[in-house]
Amino acid sequence: DADVTQTPRNRITKTGKRIMLECSQTKGHDRMYWYRQDPGLGLRLIYYSFDVKDINKGEISDGYSVSRQAQAKFSLSLESAIPNQTALYFCATSGGQANYGYTFGSGTRLTVV
Amino acid sequence: GDSVTQMEGPVTLSEEAFLTINCTYTATGYPSLFWYVQYPGEGLQLLLKATKADDKGSNKGFEATYRKETTSFHLEKGSVQVSDSAVYFCALSEQSGYSTLTFGKGTMLLVSP
Repeated sequence: DADVTQTPRNRITKTGKRIMLECSQTKGHDRMYWYRQDPGLGLRLIYYSFDVKDINKGEISDGYSVSRQAQAKFSLSLESAIPNQTALYFCATSGGQANYGYTFGSGTRLTVV
Repeated sequence: GDSVTQMEGPVTLSEEAFLTINCTYTATGYPSLFWYVQYPGEGLQLLLKATKADDKGSNKGFEATYRKETTSFHLEKGSVQVSDSAVYFCALSEQSGYSTLTFGKGTMLLVSP
């Protein structure tokens, strides 16, 4: 099994719909992250959580919310999807030191029509 | 705030050519530096890292040296293969225990036989 599992892998949804992207990890790490990837813009941080009781906004949190259900689970919600939220979404996890690398999931490709 | 600047792509090379992908950074402290690679249809994988000035990270024939005086972390490989075709991301993380990864916009590498 993958260290970081994201579901679904692909999703097409309509404008205005609520959608949840799920992420689970088996690394046993406390820290989890949600990033968005757009062509030419790289990865931008949406939300992050350093432990189960900690939730922080990233640079582009507007229109998104998150839930940290357990150490291993971190879900991202789009309350009312809009077309410019069409992107590739990545979940990641890391250990506690700044020089640890991140382990990424395979991504969720979301299309809002 | 922190930022990472990478050369724009795509970089197109023939097999066995020498590769350089430039990366410079701006940070308030002394960050850890990373290169990640994203193969088509996959998530990001840590390629190499360096945590202090003059450190050299290396993996799979790729190398990068942490140059504090020029705030750079250029990625090099002596002889690329078709299988190296991917998107490469430079990233940094401050040494604080509560920092997150800041990514560059990515550089696509295309290697032809």
